Amino acid sequence: DGGITQSPKYLFRKEGQNVTLSCEQNLNHDAMYWYRQDPGQGLRLIYYSQIVNDFQKGDIAEGYSVSREKKESFPLTVTSAQKNPTAFYLCASSLDRGYEQFFGPGTRLTVL
Amino acid sequence: GQNIDQPTEMTATEGAIVQINCTYQTSGFNGLFWYQQHAGEAPTFLSYNVLDGLEEKGRFSSFLSRSKGYSYLLLKELQMKDSASYLCAVRDQSYGQNFVFGPGTRLSVLP
Repeated sequence: DGGITQSPKYLFRKEGQNVTLSCEQNLNHDAMYWYRQDPGQGLRLIYYSQIVNDFQKGDIAEGYSVSREKKESFPLTVTSAQKNPTAFYLCASSLDRGYEQFFGPGTRLTVL
Repeated sequence: GQNIDQPTEMTATEGAIVQINCTYQTSGFNGLFWYQQHAGEAPTFLSYNVLDGLEEKGRFSSFLSRSKGYSYLLLKELQMKDSASYLCAVRDQSYGQNFVFGPGTRLSVLP
């Protein structure tokens, strides 16, 4: 079955630590995205990638970093520079930019 | 800039019809998507409109008026499993064809 997987589902981090969220897709999609979801707010774009070895900042990229070394994988690192990292993180992919996006199950990050 | 508005919460009764509105202001509108999201889960695609008018898909329909910057999602014959958040997202050419999401409408279906 084709789809997007994210791991882990729940993640706890101490202040000052970096943490990496995994996102893998086997849909053969070129474009991938990372969103952050907070209560009462819409999904906000952190980073996106249209093709391997290329990625662009979204609206709230500060304190985050990404890589796109393989078409299937788009990991997100939440660094200690992110002031308020506790949130629900969603990864998505689409055939190309602008096409319907398919979402992974999400990772809930809590900073202790 | 971009702005998308949706009602925060709605309540309806099982078997009824509910309409969830979405208004938007974007400089490069190029399509509108509706997603359903159950609590703590991934959003799933419901419908897509790029031209004015109604798109019907089973119990779900979506309407678009580009001149008014307005869309609605119509859910018929409500079921308990329809209790979820409904997200309106606009594809914006001036935003690199990326999606701008509204805050979502949380729908509660009561027996």
